[in-house]
Amino acid sequence: AQSVTQLDSHVSVSEGTPVLLRCNYSSSYSPSLFWYVQHPNKGLQLLLKYTSAATLVKGINGFEAEFKKSETSFHLTKPSAHMSDAAEYFCVVNRGGSTLGRLYFGRGTQLTVWP
Amino acid sequence: DSGVTQTPKHLITATGQRVTLRCSPRSGDLSVYWYQQSLDQGLQFLIQYYNGEERAKGNILERFSAQQFPDLHSELNLSSLELGDSALYFCASSESGRKPDTQYFGPGTRLTVL
Repeated sequence: AQSVTQLDSHVSVSEGTPVLLRCNYSSSYSPSLFWYVQHPNKGLQLLLKYTSAATLVKGINGFEAEFKKSETSFHLTKPSAHMSDAAEYFCVVNRGGSTLGRLYFGRGTQLTVWP
Repeated sequence: DSGVTQTPKHLITATGQRVTLRCSPRSGDLSVYWYQQSLDQGLQFLIQYYNGEERAKGNILERFSAQQFPDLHSELNLSSLELGDSALYFCASSESGRKPDTQYFGPGTRLTVL
């Protein structure tokens, strides 16, 4: 069963407009959730993480995400896109339990920012 | 810079060959993880080591093996290479691996099998 579903493979926005990258997860335990970003030819950088504290999580570069258990969602938002935000974004879940050490990655959302 | 280093950055080899990828975790991290990123499979967990011992296994082929040494660096060995093994291989490290730690990723090794 898919653990993480990123609902859009590509998102395009204009610079200065809001960004919404959608993610749904499945987990039998209380999950830890992450968003990572991958710029071209670069490694994965952690944007933010949720580990059962506040449901609204603030990350780097103005990004934030809200954990909604009732909707099993963890959408990533940013009020105003910048050209430098163009990259691939991965929603990631650590399901806990017997798979504690293992991260499950979504297929990624490619964000394009138009000038 | 995450503090995780991987060598080499690029590797080009032929089918049937064997290669070794190396990873040095962040200072103080005891767990090392290996992931494979390919176009068709996306990012997949391969294996985790914690303080020298195998902790968890994912979608790792029998032709692949890994180990973590006493100084905590890790190596991923890929043998009898096939065209389909061409991918980006990431190493990550975390503090313990006994709780849902944040995993910090290295820059990756891009393997091309010709």
